[in-house]
Amino acid sequence: SQTIHQWPATLVQPVGSPLSLECTVEGTSNPNLYWYRQAAGRGLQLLFYSVGIGQISSEVPQNLSASRPQDRQFILSSKKLLLSDSGFYLCAWSSAARNEKLFFGSGTQLSVL
Amino acid sequence: AQKVTQAQTEISVVEKEDVTLDCVYETRDTTYYLFWYKQPPSGELVFLIRRNSFDEQNEISGRYSWNFQKSTSSFNFTITASQVVDSAVYFCALRGIIQGAQKLVFGQGTRLTINP
Repeated sequence: SQTIHQWPATLVQPVGSPLSLECTVEGTSNPNLYWYRQAAGRGLQLLFYSVGIGQISSEVPQNLSASRPQDRQFILSSKKLLLSDSGFYLCAWSSAARNEKLFFGSGTQLSVL
Repeated sequence: AQKVTQAQTEISVVEKEDVTLDCVYETRDTTYYLFWYKQPPSGELVFLIRRNSFDEQNEISGRYSWNFQKSTSSFNFTITASQVVDSAVYFCALRGIIQGAQKLVFGQGTRLTINP
């Protein structure tokens, strides 16, 4: 069966520090991968998605970047965090073949202080 | 542009009451998918249902039922005989039919609290 792992679960970082959130998927190949952000009291916003290694599409201009160094690995990064980067970050995957629904990770609560 | 509106920010009911969560969407696509996801306190989003725009039949799954009304662009979700375990944030989402990645547009979510 397929599983998605996302870490860390919580993270507290000072303003101006770098960020690296990692997400890996097991049990499937060539998944579509996604990073969503959920700001406090708000809905989910798609940040990045990827349909293959090295292929990254950005939905909104921002202080963050994403990379996909391996087929089932998706990384969310920042060189210098802003206060506004605080939020709940969710990684998700969907099957490229069936492409029916998203499967979400357990999320990372990021607090930038 | 696609948009999903969940006008109810928070709902609080007593256990065993029925509760309906509203979802209204906007899209220019003639073919699209609608979704409901549940986000329990643990944070992970759990898939509940996917509905194709061609299929307007209402669906029932245990205590859950969904009412899709294309004429009013609504996809409402009803929980019958609510239980404390139903407490969560519920998201409605919309996706156009595209090749490649699923780009879901989510509503703001409705926080449902079921009180014992």
